[in-house]
Amino acid sequence: QVQVVQSGAEVKKPGASVNVSCKASGYTFANYYIYWVRQAPGQGLEWMALINPSGGSTYVAQKFQGRVTMTRDTSTSTVFMEVSSLRSDDTAMYYCARSVGISATPNWGQGTLVTVSS
Amino acid sequence: EIVMTQSPGTLSVSPGERATLSCRASQSVGSNLAWYQQKPGQAPRLLISGASTRATDIPARFSGSGSGTEFTLTISSLQSEDFAVYYCQQYNDWPPEITFGPGTKVDIK
Repeated sequence: QVQVVQSGAEVKKPGASVNVSCKASGYTFANYYIYWVRQAPGQGLEWMALINPSGGSTYVAQKFQGRVTMTRDTSTSTVFMEVSSLRSDDTAMYYCARSVGISATPNWGQGTLVTVSS
Repeated sequence: EIVMTQSPGTLSVSPGERATLSCRASQSVGSNLAWYQQKPGQAPRLLISGASTRATDIPARFSGSGSGTEFTLTISSLQSEDFAVYYCQQYNDWPPEITFGPGTKVDIK
């Protein structure tokens, strides 16, 4: 059974960084991209970035370049996303999702709520 | 960036009725278009990919059509569990330029 399970909620102060993890199971980790999508409270979906676990190459949407970094640990089938220089408008639910290449995403994590507040 | 628009913003439908949701891209995305359903407090659920291919376990009452810049999601006979927000998403090939529409809320009339 394919699963992607995310780390728990975080509360951060403005200017800090947050690290969110996404652990995959039930499939060959290297064969599927992991996307990151966020959703501010009451708002729509916003695609942020992706990582190819096979080799670790990444692509970050222009809006987030310089603030978003992704890594992966193949030994634990886990992807990590760090968002730095947090602002109040980064408060959102952050989702990871699995995809076959550049495509739709059939498997989503449960979401990680990141709250940025002084 | 390819901008996705959806109409209407809200669609009020009675159970058993047909719902037609529209999605438009600012430039051609071919068939690289997906539809998602999201209910409150839940992650999005993939309904349709490749503009018209239903995802695993998605009921046949959901269908997608279109190509290029104009796309449609049709729910043939709305069930109570279908009241939700629906998003379209386009996904270009490399470099990836993935964008979502603002969503259409389907609520009970």
